[in-house]
Amino acid sequence: DAGVIQSPRHEVTEMGQEVTLRCKPISGHNSLFWYRQTMMRGLELLIYFNNNVPIDDSGMPEDRFSAKMPNASFSTLKIQPSEPRDSAVYFCASSSRRVRGGKLFFGSGTQLSVL
Amino acid sequence: AQTVTQSQPEMSVQEAETVTLSCTYDTSESDYYLFWYKQPPSRQMILVIRQEAYKQQNATENRFSVNFQKAAKSFSLKISDSQLGDAAMYFCALPQGAQKLVFGQGTRLTINP
Repeated sequence: DAGVIQSPRHEVTEMGQEVTLRCKPISGHNSLFWYRQTMMRGLELLIYFNNNVPIDDSGMPEDRFSAKMPNASFSTLKIQPSEPRDSAVYFCASSSRRVRGGKLFFGSGTQLSVL
Repeated sequence: AQTVTQSQPEMSVQEAETVTLSCTYDTSESDYYLFWYKQPPSRQMILVIRQEAYKQQNATENRFSVNFQKAAKSFSLKISDSQLGDAAMYFCALPQGAQKLVFGQGTRLTINP
């Protein structure tokens, strides 16, 4: 299996621009998670989906952030407009209900820099 | 709400020696899992070891083992025969709800050759 695939690996953009991060979960996994990692706040859960439906988006910081999962094999996290404080590593992870105990499989992350 | 605390921001160990990373947590659930994830410089989050709370026996995966003390809500990771490739950030994690994970702040482990 190819694992969780995220793109791009690095993104540099200017303040005010729209940013779209992409994720392809592991085939057969029905839960997908977006995490953000910063030095100050560590790993924070932004949103997670179960069977393509958003279950908990309480971690989404502002209305500038939105996430979609149009089908079981693709999800996007969009930031519009982006701000320098959004600079972080964004991880996508997936898991299967057939795997007990919340074992997550992570992608390699997207390093976002907003100038 | 579940909380996870890692009180050691940084640790270092001599190659081939043993090091223990600490983690304490709080949960109201009686049946749960605990995890240690490793994040090397490549950034990939990798599951190191998993412990089921209802099992009294401590989990072991090759050189990695845990000391799980349920009453004390403590879940430490022991790395034996440390290798240079063990250098990474280590995160303790606890599920909140069905599958959502709450992570500690992490411990940066340095291996001295």
